[in-house]
Amino acid sequence: GQNIDQPTEMTATEGAIVQINCTYQTSGFNGLFWYQQHAGEAPTFLSYNVLDGLEEKGRFSSFLSRSKGYSYLLLKELQMKDSASYLCAVRDPTSRQNTGFQKLVFGTGTRLLVSP
Amino acid sequence: DAGVTQSPTHLIKTRGQQVTLRCSPKSGHDTVSWYQQALGQGPQFIFQYYEEEERQRGNFPDRFSGHQFPNYSSELNVNALLLGDSALYLCASSSVEPVEGEQYFGPGTRLTVT
Repeated sequence: GQNIDQPTEMTATEGAIVQINCTYQTSGFNGLFWYQQHAGEAPTFLSYNVLDGLEEKGRFSSFLSRSKGYSYLLLKELQMKDSASYLCAVRDPTSRQNTGFQKLVFGTGTRLLVSP
Repeated sequence: DAGVTQSPTHLIKTRGQQVTLRCSPKSGHDTVSWYQQALGQGPQFIFQYYEEEERQRGNFPDRFSGHQFPNYSSELNVNALLLGDSALYLCASSSVEPVEGEQYFGPGTRLTVT
């Protein structure tokens, strides 16, 4: 089965640091993505982890522990524009033929509200 | 470089009707995936097309069908619409190679079934 858990909602203040956690149990694993989605818009790519450890990209960092089925997204120096939903997605390699034919399995998303 | 485009932006249909949604992938991409996103939920995988064939399918009934054209663009068709089909339909494009490549999402089509 596929199960991805994230907190439903988080709040933080401008300039602060926030960590959004994601735990997953999937029948296969070939990488974990974080996407940002503003209300009514398409998800936009933030980060990708396939090996254990921390990936840093400006104000955003993402961590993965495959043995624990756990990832987090760290947002630093929060800005008002960071108010959005953050989606954790696992790439499931249960394809019939080629590992290129992979689907993303998403969590329900974490709605982050940044206040002044 | 044009990203993923989808049409129409919004659509209102009546229960029982049929609908067709369209997607053009990002330049250089050959694979198109479709997702359904209900309000307050994460996207749910519908199916994926490569070389004009359906390669993977999620847990969606046969009322959901698709097509991919030689230029890699794709259509999603939904027959016998139900109220529960109201959602944001997202198209994502990617390349078969490299395997690690990300999926780029289009702006979506907001479907409302009344």
